[in-house]
Amino acid sequence: EIVLTQSPDFQSVTPKEKVTITCRASQSIGSSLHWYQQKPDQSPKLLIKYASQSFSGVPSRFSGSGSGTDFTLTINSLEAEDAATYYCHQSSSLPYTFGQGTKLEIK
Amino acid sequence: EVQLVESGGGLVQPGRSLRLSCAASGFTFDDYAMHWVRQAPGKGLEWVSGISWNSGSIGYADSVKGRFTISRDNAKNSLYLQMNSLRAEDTALYYCAKSPWRGGMLFDYWGQGTLVTVSS
Repeated sequence: EIVLTQSPDFQSVTPKEKVTITCRASQSIGSSLHWYQQKPDQSPKLLIKYASQSFSGVPSRFSGSGSGTDFTLTINSLEAEDAATYYCHQSSSLPYTFGQGTKLEIK
Repeated sequence: EVQLVESGGGLVQPGRSLRLSCAASGFTFDDYAMHWVRQAPGKGLEWVSGISWNSGSIGYADSVKGRFTISRDNAKNSLYLQMNSLRAEDTALYYCAKSPWRGGMLFDYWGQGTLVTVSS
């Protein structure tokens, strides 16, 4: 099983700040890495697919990068509505796995 | 508009069975793979099972293999999860999720979930 480790687990940030969340895979997964946003009491939403491809309708301040084992989700100019937990997910091999999540709190 | 509506959750005793359903609308159901993903209370996401557009490819998490069965009825635009021999650790919100293509392994739309509680 491929283990995904996100960092940090929690971050408190101010609006307009730039945020970087990392996801490290226990073995190479190419670009089969996706990012989701889950706001409190809501279902997850796809943000980024295949490491760097933005999903339809996602604000341009969200971007992704990386390949192999190291990946990054970047949020430029954070907005209050971005308060959420962010998860990475790999679809390289079964079983598909998620990172433990990164909770963003807006100060 | 893509809509996924789960149903069938509830309180069930350990060892018993439950069948979840997901009614899909707003897209051509038989063109896409579908999945079940669960989230235990206050915890992260766990992929449970997935099925390709024509049921030709099916996968399960090790934690449910041999106990859960995924299926779909393309004529009814519906996805199912038969859960047998339920355990306390199966307690979670179960999401139905759509993939972007026939054999897809990521999730572009999610339902609101149905809660399964396994307890005596």
